[in-house]
Amino acid sequence: EIVLTQSPATLSLSPGERATLSCRASQSVNLAWYQQKPGQAPRLLIFDASNRATGIPARFSGSGSGTDFTLTISSLEPEDFAIYYCQQRSNWPWTFGQGTKVEIK
Amino acid sequence: QVQLQESGPGLVKPSETLSLTCTVSGGSVSSGSYYWSWIRQPPGKGLEWIGSIYNSGSTNYNPSLKSRVTISVDTSKNQFSLKLSSVAAADTAVYYCARDSIVPLWGQGTLVTVSS
Repeated sequence: EIVLTQSPATLSLSPGERATLSCRASQSVNLAWYQQKPGQAPRLLIFDASNRATGIPARFSGSGSGTDFTLTISSLEPEDFAIYYCQQRSNWPWTFGQGTKVEIK
Repeated sequence: QVQLQESGPGLVKPSETLSLTCTVSGGSVSSGSYYWSWIRQPPGKGLEWIGSIYNSGSTNYNPSLKSRVTISVDTSKNQFSLKLSSVAAADTAVYYCARDSIVPLWGQGTLVTVSS
């Protein structure tokens, strides 16, 4: 099973700051990123490591390949404070990272 | 526009079988090259992939749940289903269905509580 390790567990930042989230895989994979707010279903942000999903603002960007991936939010908006998950669907069983919570400092 | 909607009992007794259905609207479960998946999220915890079924009928399950899980497709109703047997309190979660392709599409989720 491929293990996805997200870091940090919690990121405390202020609106307008840059957020950098990491996802490291135990084997080479392709990756998607999701955002989840309380009481809501996860929303797809990034697929295939670096492609923004439809309707996702340009301040969200994904990068990386192989085993190391990064989700960057260039300038945090109030609505961006949420939990972010990475997911791999390259190998069975598909797996998720444990999540990074981006909270208001 | 394709939409997915989960449905089923919100309360299941321990040791019984949890049964959920995902209804697909705006598209067909039998067209295209998609995996139809189930994912769950216990309250306050992270996401767990349960399993997927391909259009051909082939299935893949999470090894941690494999002995208790069955996913099937009903093309006549344009639905796919999840059955999880011998449930316990640890199976209490929000259950999501999803259409998995290059760009995944998820339903809104349904809470299932396991309690007597």
